[in-house]
Amino acid sequence: DAGITQSPRHKVTETGTPVTLRCHQTENHRYMYWYRQDPGHGLRLIHYSYGVKDTDKGEVSDGYSVSRSKTEDFLLTLESATSSQTSVYFCAISEPGTPQETQYFGPGTRLLVL
Amino acid sequence: QKEVEQDPGPLSVPEGAIVSLNCTYSNSAFQYFMWYRQYSRKGPELLMYTYSSGNKEDGRFTAQVDKSSKYISLFIRDSQPSDSATYLCAMSLDTNAGKSTFGDGTTLTVKP
Repeated sequence: DAGITQSPRHKVTETGTPVTLRCHQTENHRYMYWYRQDPGHGLRLIHYSYGVKDTDKGEVSDGYSVSRSKTEDFLLTLESATSSQTSVYFCAISEPGTPQETQYFGPGTRLLVL
Repeated sequence: QKEVEQDPGPLSVPEGAIVSLNCTYSNSAFQYFMWYRQYSRKGPELLMYTYSSGNKEDGRFTAQVDKSSKYISLFIRDSQPSDSATYLCAMSLDTNAGKSTFGDGTTLTVKP
């Protein structure tokens, strides 16, 4: 998984609880992304980052916030988890200017909100 | 209507078969077309990348783009059990990978 780790890999939480997912990369890629994957919806972009402290919203950003204080770490926070946020969350990285600007995905985090 | 449509399958074929996976799209401005392979409980990995119309071949895999029909295909020749996975198409307006729109994926099983 191209030097990308996600933690935790599995999490069960209750509605209304804050949750933070972590993505860590060792590739020194500038761009980082958070996606969610749900049956019937494919991969949808939540937030992305083009550099340290430089983040922006994706297609489905409501209810999520992100932070990036270091190149290697990108955190996704669910401020108050809801059952609709039960999903598999993938982090991805890419480096601008490289051929195809290939995205490399992490192994995913399975989140269940009860 | 979704911007990218992909038949979810599942698709089951015998080993050695030729597999055809397809996506249609509605945005004629898409220029970059990708196919990802995703094994169960793993992240997607880029398989093929094509710019604009035409064919691209890589080993047993061939990607075709027909922009006039807004239709892309991935062909797998001599399919192997190790090809069993979900295949996602994706497309974007520019080289910014984060701006890609993904299909829902087609699940393929290749039986020995």
